[in-house]
Amino acid sequence: SAVISQKPSRDICQRGTSLTIQCQVDSQVTMMFWYRQQPGQSLTLIATANQGSEATYESGFVIDKFPISRPNLTFSTLTVSNMSPEDSSIYLCSVESGGYGYTFGSGTRLTVV
Amino acid sequence: KQEVTQIPAALSVPEGENLVLNCSFTDSAIYNLQWFRQDPGKGLTSLLLIQSSQREQTSGRLNASLDKSSGRSTLYIAASQPGDSATYLCAAPREPGNTPLVFGKGTRLSVIA
Repeated sequence: SAVISQKPSRDICQRGTSLTIQCQVDSQVTMMFWYRQQPGQSLTLIATANQGSEATYESGFVIDKFPISRPNLTFSTLTVSNMSPEDSSIYLCSVESGGYGYTFGSGTRLTVV
Repeated sequence: KQEVTQIPAALSVPEGENLVLNCSFTDSAIYNLQWFRQDPGKGLTSLLLIQSSQREQTSGRLNASLDKSSGRSTLYIAASQPGDSATYLCAAPREPGNTPLVFGKGTRLSVIA
């Protein structure tokens, strides 16, 4: 199955600043998925990132707040912009790995103070 | 649109007990179903993937079943250990193919030594 390297693993940020999260996959994949997991909650899809096109955002998530880059078939970034304490969550990227199902990065634990 | 529900939300058992976690889904035309484990503050580890053509999958002390007609999946853990303590999530693709996963809210398991 695909292996995803996600960075950073955790960060503590000041409100009003931005953080960029990176995911590197060890194989080429068509789509990458970005999720948010708020404290005590399950995973919620933020957006689907296709290489060569604009990301598709779910209801309640907008590009200005969560811009996504997908420069090639193995890499993507998610930026959390103008952060507030409500953005404190675990952010995860994921890809579909054929017969192995879906693989997830190790997550980025973000705390906004 | 696929929806996934998990019960119970939390479960506490003594070490050595066999236990069952439940997952329900609304669309019987399910493509596959995947069980994950999540330790606090961490990413997701895939446990078992069941394709729509399969009835069950086994890995060590874990056995997952899939009943499309009733819209249910179960994760059976034999001879539970304190190291099994974690949150268990089930998820299914929103639609067949390379689409985002829809997650249940998870079952938080505590195995008491």
